[in-house]
Amino acid sequence: ETGVTQTPRHLVMGMTNKKSLKCEQHLGHNAMYWYKQSAKKPLELMFVYNFKEQTENNSVPSRFSPECPNSSHLFLHLHTLQPEDSALYLCASSQVPLDRGREKLFFGSGTQLSVL
Amino acid sequence: DAKTTQPNSMESNEEEPVHLPCNHSTISGTDYIHWYRQLPSQGPEYVIHGLTSNVNNRMASLAIAEDRKSSTLILHRATLRDAAVYYCILRDVKRDSGGGADGLTFGKGTHLIIQP
Repeated sequence: ETGVTQTPRHLVMGMTNKKSLKCEQHLGHNAMYWYKQSAKKPLELMFVYNFKEQTENNSVPSRFSPECPNSSHLFLHLHTLQPEDSALYLCASSQVPLDRGREKLFFGSGTQLSVL
Repeated sequence: DAKTTQPNSMESNEEEPVHLPCNHSTISGTDYIHWYRQLPSQGPEYVIHGLTSNVNNRMASLAIAEDRKSSTLILHRATLRDAAVYYCILRDVKRDSGGGADGLTFGKGTHLIIQP
């Protein structure tokens, strides 16, 4: 148990569906992240939120829409996805320290998404 | 953050020590060396980090070369549960001047196989 909970664990959706992934952290952290992990590829950073404000968007298509209503919750809203968007979506959190070098990320177990 | 190079895969026997190498020849004097691992069907988890001196914790040891151009993660007695992908990541130290968190950049890591 890492203190970061993601739901659902598995999701199958059609290309015309709208769904949302949820992440909740119980660690009192002030930063949250979305990562994508496709088969046989390294993790790719998608979005970063600091104190509920989005500070990074790594050229992610607009069919992925993040939302961070408070520092404990993070959502990823999905609409009109493509089959190539099938992947493991991971949420992480961290406490942004003065010393960036020591920062540790805590990950959830991810949502395995299949787009048909 | 500077780049790291790791072998794609390694194999070891259960109950034997495992030495996972990482090369980082372009490391700067302010880069911390971090290790994470990702068990099957899980998100990555923090293992250990260090700057110059060797480090030990309950999970592993980190041996850092004197010139800091390489490091080795040591699992003292591998178990089947240590089978995972191990990532070596560099994090540059900088004071939080308002930029906040910016996430970790993961490479392909080393796939560690443990034989019973």
